[in-house]
Amino acid sequence: QKEVEQDPGPLSVPEGAIVSLNCTYSNSAFQYFMWYRQYSRKGPELLMYTYSSGNKEDGRFTAQVDKSSKYISLFIRDSQPSDSATYLCAPSPDSWGKLQFGAGTQVVVTP
Amino acid sequence: ETGVTQSPTHLIKTRGQQVTLRCSSQSGHNTVSWYQQALGQGPQFIFQYYREEENGRGNFPPRFSGLQFPNYSSELNVNALELDDSALYLCASRGGQGTGFPTDTQYFGPGTRLTVL
Repeated sequence: QKEVEQDPGPLSVPEGAIVSLNCTYSNSAFQYFMWYRQYSRKGPELLMYTYSSGNKEDGRFTAQVDKSSKYISLFIRDSQPSDSATYLCAPSPDSWGKLQFGAGTQVVVTP
Repeated sequence: ETGVTQSPTHLIKTRGQQVTLRCSSQSGHNTVSWYQQALGQGPQFIFQYYREEENGRGNFPPRFSGLQFPNYSSELNVNALELDDSALYLCASRGGQGTGFPTDTQYFGPGTRLTVL
């Protein structure tokens, strides 16, 4: 069983809609969680991170962690076509820095 | 754009051949990791090098090997290519050995797309 599970989508939404992305995890020891964004033909880039004890907002993006259900979420408000990308969740790395990623959810925002 | 570069951008090989992929780390970064990303999947950790020594390895067979050079650039070598090796290969660099804190961010290159026929 993978330690991080993510619905691969694709998820298609009209411009201006709220995008909701989710991951589940199995290891309670993870200290924080990250969301990466990967545009086509590019490497992943860190979008934001959230400690396992709360939420975080950054502009149109909000990341949430629900420890009781081992559920993490990313919300994109007022979505734009430029938000079209694959979004990957990843828990905090191990002591060597190894990252484990979810499968990634492809998001398509249509004008 | 990150300061991590990879070459080539894409290449096509046939089964059984060998391939070498290259990565140039962001300036000042002494740790490099390689990931394999199959189509529709998240990146999977292959191995990591810190100051020219491998110090972490994922669930990949020995035909996946690597090198890190004194200037911290790196190579990924794959021998006896198989069809399932077709994927995007990502290199990521960072300045630490893995502190577990989010400030020790890994910066990814654009990847090399490998197709094995």
